[in-house]
Amino acid sequence: DAGVTQSPTHLIKTRGQQVTLRCSPKSGHDTVSWYQQALGQGPQFIFQYYEEEERQRGNFPDRFSGHQFPNYSSELNVNALLLGDSALYLCASSLFAEAFFGQGTRLTVV
Amino acid sequence: EDKVVQSPLSLVVHEGDTVTLNCSYEVTNFRSLLWYKQEKKAPTFLFMLTSSGIEKKSGRLSSILDKKELSSILNITATQTGDSAIYLCAVHGGATNKLIFGTGTLLAVQP
Repeated sequence: DAGVTQSPTHLIKTRGQQVTLRCSPKSGHDTVSWYQQALGQGPQFIFQYYEEEERQRGNFPDRFSGHQFPNYSSELNVNALLLGDSALYLCASSLFAEAFFGQGTRLTVV
Repeated sequence: EDKVVQSPLSLVVHEGDTVTLNCSYEVTNFRSLLWYKQEKKAPTFLFMLTSSGIEKKSGRLSSILDKKELSSILNITATQTGDSAIYLCAVHGGATNKLIFGTGTLLAVQP
């Protein structure tokens, strides 16, 4: 059983560009949450998707958007990248309360 | 505002020592508290504690939830260098599966 998989693993973008990160949840999980983890910080909740809809959102600007597909996989899109968007982006999938994380995408904005 | 606070922020011990990591929380509609170990990238699940399961143990690791004090501890006995990692505490609150994380405790175990 493949766990949560994320792609790409690393990414370098220039300020102002747009980026799309992808996540495939653990088999049987229907809920996908995205987190941003800056260096030395705990993960910060961005938003959560369930049944292809954004169910809850953290304190992130509208530049951060997402999507969930019928197979429960998900994308995170960030527009107009800022230097401060450089971080590890983690996807977590869950069926109930226990969340399993992917390896993350390390995004560097230069 | 919901928050989770972990202490200490960092800790250096020697192999064989016992460590206790702390987590306190103020979260509306508390449902569960989870501990994760993060070595490089993906946090890996350790324990989930709820009102019906306030104490968990796995090998050298154990955790207790104190709902009265709104806190939890994670104990690691006979530490090994492989225990070196960031330990994250997260609280699951509200009606969704949103996790609220603390900043983590960086544990370094020296040979």
